[in-house]
Amino acid sequence: EDQVTQSPEALRLQEGESSSLNCSYTVSGLRGLFWYRQDPGKGPEFLFTLYSAGEEKEKERLKATLTKKESFLHITAPKPEDSATYLCAVSNFNKFYFGSGTKLNVKP
Amino acid sequence: TAGITQAPTSQILAAGRSMTLRCTQDMRHNAMYWYRQDLGLGLRLIHYSNTAGTTGKGEVPDGYSVSRANTDDFPLTLASAVPSQTSVYFCASSGDGGSDTQYFGPGTRLTVL
Repeated sequence: EDQVTQSPEALRLQEGESSSLNCSYTVSGLRGLFWYRQDPGKGPEFLFTLYSAGEEKEKERLKATLTKKESFLHITAPKPEDSATYLCAVSNFNKFYFGSGTKLNVKP
Repeated sequence: TAGITQAPTSQILAAGRSMTLRCTQDMRHNAMYWYRQDLGLGLRLIHYSNTAGTTGKGEVPDGYSVSRANTDDFPLTLASAVPSQTSVYFCASSGDGGSDTQYFGPGTRLTVL
């Protein structure tokens, strides 16, 4: 069964404390893996698309990596404004599968 | 650039009433999608459209209908609302279906009483 699992469900960090969020997937014929950020009461905001194992992309304090079974979203020296829910999704031909998200809280 | 707009922002609806959630995109994307997001269940696909004039069913289509008369608009209709349709609804679009990145609207919060 095609599915996406994100861990942990929630993560609390101190400002400056680096960590990683995990997205593991079982999908036949992966076309792409996507990371989104969602703030409370708003729609998901696109962050990264990864298409093949070994690919990496960076944006400010965020870095996304991809292997054949999982993706990591590394957050380096996070700030309180990085607090949000981070969603992972994978695409397979004509379908998108979303994980349930990791709720990140960064304390000052 | 507006991207994707949704209306209304929020709505309280009596059970049994009908309602249409509106979605418009200005990116000339071919594909459009409707999701609902519920606590603990994540985003679930209701209906999608790969191009104007075509639609398809997603994971949770029952009780909802869509139409795609043109490229820009993708309305979602609840013919007879039930309390289990209380949710936050997001419209999204992508250049093409499949592997293309989806971009989301701001959402409509619907409460069915």
